[in-house]
Amino acid sequence: DTEVTQTPKHLVMGMTNKKSLKCEQHMGHRAMYWYKQKAKKPPELMFVYSYEKLSINESVPSRFSPECPNSSLLNLHLHALQPEDSALYLCASSRQGFPYEQYFGPGTRLTVT
Amino acid sequence: DQQVKQNSPSLSVQEGRISILNCDYTNSMFDYFLWYKKYPAEGPTFLISISSIKDKNEDGRFTVFLNKSAKHLSLHIVPSQPGDSAVYFCAASIGSGTYKYIFGTGTRLKVLA
Repeated sequence: DTEVTQTPKHLVMGMTNKKSLKCEQHMGHRAMYWYKQKAKKPPELMFVYSYEKLSINESVPSRFSPECPNSSLLNLHLHALQPEDSALYLCASSRQGFPYEQYFGPGTRLTVT
Repeated sequence: DQQVKQNSPSLSVQEGRISILNCDYTNSMFDYFLWYKKYPAEGPTFLISISSIKDKNEDGRFTVFLNKSAKHLSLHIVPSQPGDSAVYFCAASIGSGTYKYIFGTGTRLKVLA
């Protein structure tokens, strides 16, 4: 099973809402990632978890709060977002250690109104 | 500052011919490079990678070439097929276990039947 699943596929939220994005993988990968991708732009790294611990935070605003409850799950909690946060949010996983290819989920298309 | 650049935003190729996608980077510390393919409404899919100790890696129809002195890599697809039509991203990583991948700006390949 080389699948990374993400829910929901689409999300529309107001600037005062609180919502969460979910990501799951069952490949035994111990590195998990959140990326943000705007239209016609490359994916931009937001967070990396290694062995369920946050190892990289690319200076992401605190209105984005990641969580890794176990080795298979990754959440991204959203609160008080701005319209410019509207984007495709991609989750990925990889083996840990030496740079390995990442397996991406299909993404959550987020619209902030 | 875009450390990984794909200067051709789009490329059209006839079916059966060779597709050559190019990628330039500025950081000489990058030591591992990957190519991903992305269809609309899907996450990127890993294609092929190359370590900086090699100058060529081949997998079926896909070959990646690395020219470290020129800080340039290219992806060759031979023969090109209509199903190869997608956006292609190159990505680069610094060092073992850093988990940090920088993506290029992407090239949209269209293979004409």
